[in-house]
Amino acid sequence: SPVLTQPPSVSVAPGKTATITCGGNDIGSFPVHWYQQRPGQAPVLVILYDSDRPSGIPERFSGSNSGSTATLTISRVEAGDEADYYCQVWDSNADPLFGGGTTLTVL
Amino acid sequence: QLQLQESGPGLVKPSETLSLTCTVSGGSVGSSNYYWGWVRQPPMKGLEWIGNIYDTGTTYYNPSLKSRVTISIDTSKNQFSLRLSSLTAADTAVYYCARRRPTGGPFDYWGQGTLATVSS
Repeated sequence: SPVLTQPPSVSVAPGKTATITCGGNDIGSFPVHWYQQRPGQAPVLVILYDSDRPSGIPERFSGSNSGSTATLTISRVEAGDEADYYCQVWDSNADPLFGGGTTLTVL
Repeated sequence: QLQLQESGPGLVKPSETLSLTCTVSGGSVGSSNYYWGWVRQPPMKGLEWIGNIYDTGTTYYNPSLKSRVTISIDTSKNQFSLRLSSLTAADTAVYYCARRRPTGGPFDYWGQGTLATVSS
């Protein structure tokens, strides 16, 4: 079965740029969506279709997708960005598949 | 603003069936072009898709759970529901209901989640 691979954790200093990757076989051929989940809260959609931002999501959040890696980039990281981040695609059976999640720690 | 709210028992016994309902406000589950789904998250673990339903009643289930899952929709009450049978401790999780956009789209609206604990 397909697998989406995310690093378990990423750490970044405030004001710097965080990069969270999502690896998968030929993932660049499929639209990728990203969710932010703060502790004790429901997931929130932050990037859809590789690089689009929903209304209300800061421009600091951006995404890209090519080849075997999709990337979520958070610029000028703030303390409030500390959360778990999940990538999601639709697999060959048109079923949703989530990555294992990455915990972003703001130092 | 679309809102989703899960409801159901917080504690269920092993081998029994979990029944959860998602009540939608600010929009209609009978709207075309959207799917309504369930996603769960075991304690300290990641997200797992359970299944989706379209307003026509067409369902799609995670193959690993398909034999135990039933999702239904009640457009008159603006609700959709989840039933998960033959419960074990491994089914202990926060259960989220969510709206899914069509054609490879994301889950764009989520409920707050409800914790279901399987224990005798």
